[in-house]
Amino acid sequence: SFELTQPPSVSVSPGQTARITCSADALAKIFAFWFQQKPGQAPVLLIYKDSERPSGIPERFSGSSSGTTVTLTISGVQAEDEADYYCQSADGTGPWVFGGGTKLTVL
Amino acid sequence: EVRLVQSGAQVKKPGESLKISCEGSGYTFSNYWIGWVRQKPGKGLEWMGLIYPGDSDTAYSPSFQGQVIISVDKSVSSAYLQWSSLKASDTATYFCARRYCTGGSCYRTMDVWGQGTTVTVSS
Repeated sequence: SFELTQPPSVSVSPGQTARITCSADALAKIFAFWFQQKPGQAPVLLIYKDSERPSGIPERFSGSSSGTTVTLTISGVQAEDEADYYCQSADGTGPWVFGGGTKLTVL
Repeated sequence: EVRLVQSGAQVKKPGESLKISCEGSGYTFSNYWIGWVRQKPGKGLEWMGLIYPGDSDTAYSPSFQGQVIISVDKSVSSAYLQWSSLKASDTATYFCARRYCTGGSCYRTMDVWGQGTTVTVSS
């Protein structure tokens, strides 16, 4: 198995761009996925296959991958984007793994 | 509309057994894996395992193998998570979620989530 490492917190002003990273050696070979979770709610899938958006997800959410790090980018951050963000991945037939989560604060 | 609806909150004592449910609707339940995810109070998400309703094939995270049982009854479009002897450390919210499939491919992630079932274990 492997671990996904995320920063515990990221802060950004409204209208600015937020970037949340997720790192693991395994990410050089396997896809990553991103979730948003607001307090008291279930997670929402934002990004799949490193950079694809499911239908209904706003274009301001984007994903990218470079080597062993994947990045979730939120452009033009809005107050409603304040939430916890989790990366997730899975290696072969092993367990599915979540990162520790990043709390995004909109200043 | 595709939905997963989970059973209600539970308060149990240590040592008691429990089975919580997750009912799918709006799609062919047998065709999609259902996973379970734990979230302890104030903490992150932990993947527990998943089950394929079509044939009850099951995969567990090593962290949860032997601690819980994941099952399914496709006749009522429901998946279950059960404990034989609860501990205080099982206090958490448990989510079920459907494996994400699109464009003819299925990915090792989940798109449709239940609302969560909060389990409190306390003497």
